Formats: sequence, C-alpha cells, structure tokens
Amino acid sequence: DTGVSQDPRHKITKRGQNVTFRCDPISEHNRLYWYRQTLGQGPEFLTYFQNEAQLEKSRLLSDRFSAERPKGSFSTLEIQRTEQGDSAMYLCASGLAGVYEQYFGPGTRLTVT
Amino acid sequence: KNQVEQSPQSLIILEGKNCTLQCNYTVSPFSNLRWYKQDTGRGPVSLTIMTFSENTKSNGRYTATLDADTKQSSLHITASQLSDSASYICVVYTGGGNKLTFGTGTQLKVEL
Repeated sequence: DTGVSQDPRHKITKRGQNVTFRCDPISEHNRLYWYRQTLGQGPEFLTYFQNEAQLEKSRLLSDRFSAERPKGSFSTLEIQRTEQGDSAMYLCASGLAGVYEQYFGPGTRLTVT
Repeated sequence: KNQVEQSPQSLIILEGKNCTLQCNYTVSPFSNLRWYKQDTGRGPVSLTIMTFSENTKSNGRYTATLDADTKQSSLHITASQLSDSASYICVVYTGGGNKLTFGTGTQLKVEL
C-alpha cells in the first residue's frame, strides 16, 4: 500500500499523559499536513511541513503540541499533558508543493479519559 | 472569513434512490473544490475535483456541479448503495494547495 499511513490507529490515554503519533506520507510527497477532527465537524488545520521545515502552525496548536519531520519523510505529532478536550481524530495528509491535492491517511483516534 | 457550508446536515435514503448534497462557499482566492467521502473512523477520500471553469464532472455514480458565480456546488449520487453510507465533505482549496477550507459534512445513511 503506497498511501498515507498513520500509527497507532487508536490511542486511549489518561489525562496528563503524553502521547505521540506517527505519519508516513506518500514517499515522493514533500508536503505533510496535520489536522484535527472532532465528531461531526470537518478537519481543522494544525500545521504543515515542506520537507523538514515546519512552515505554518495554527493557533490551535498550543504549547502542549509539537510536530516534527526530522528527515523530511515521516512526521510525529506529540501532545504533552493531554486534556479531555484533546480527544479527537488526528489526520495526516501529504501532497506535492504547487499541486492542489492532499491525500489523507486513516487517522489516529485519541481518547483522553 | 473563509467558510464552507453544507446541507443537509444528515440524510437517510433507501437503497437505489438518488440524492443531492449541497455546498455553499465563501472562499477567496478559489483554486478548486473537491468532494470527499469519509467512512466512519477513516480519513477522507477524494471523489471529484472541480476547477473554476468546470460546471459538471462525473465519477461513476457521483456527479458534481459547480456554479462559480453563485459559489455553490452539489454532489449527486445516483442509485445509492449501502456502501455509500458515509460523511461527504465539501473542501475548497486555496493558497497554493496548502489552505483547505472544510465544510462540516453531510452524514448520509443508505438503508434497505
């Protein structure tokens, strides 16, 4: 399968714990995006990378959130000191600069208890 | 503020029937509009893409329309199947492909 993959697919954690998600984009894609989607809503933009560089971060990305793409391939999204409001689906997408299409992964469903 | 509004919020139809989903947008600058299908617990998958100059485009049983003057789009599903049950999200692309404005989706349920 050469699509976008995400790991884990589901994560249940207790409030206050740290969690890390991984996204593997389509191999030739230089752009990688993170979104958050709550139930019944469309995805909301969090941040995006072009190669290794994090070019934009949404105001939704509080200090507890950090994302990296160290080698310009896979990316990680870490949430520190999780809160119940962090419960959501975290979607990753990848694409090519200048091409108006993003391909989405299956998402990681986070539940904070 | 860029916005995409979809209607209806939810819809239940019988298998084999047709349905039409609506999308109104106020997004600038406009690049293209896509309809995505999102199955429960999965990521969105693109169904159709509409550029500024296109009025109608079909993909199997899915037909999308775009009226750039009124900033409206529709997605028509013909001969619905149980597997069509999903959320359908209207997404407008702008800003070099980085900026996506998402609608909240229409939740479609197809029943026997």
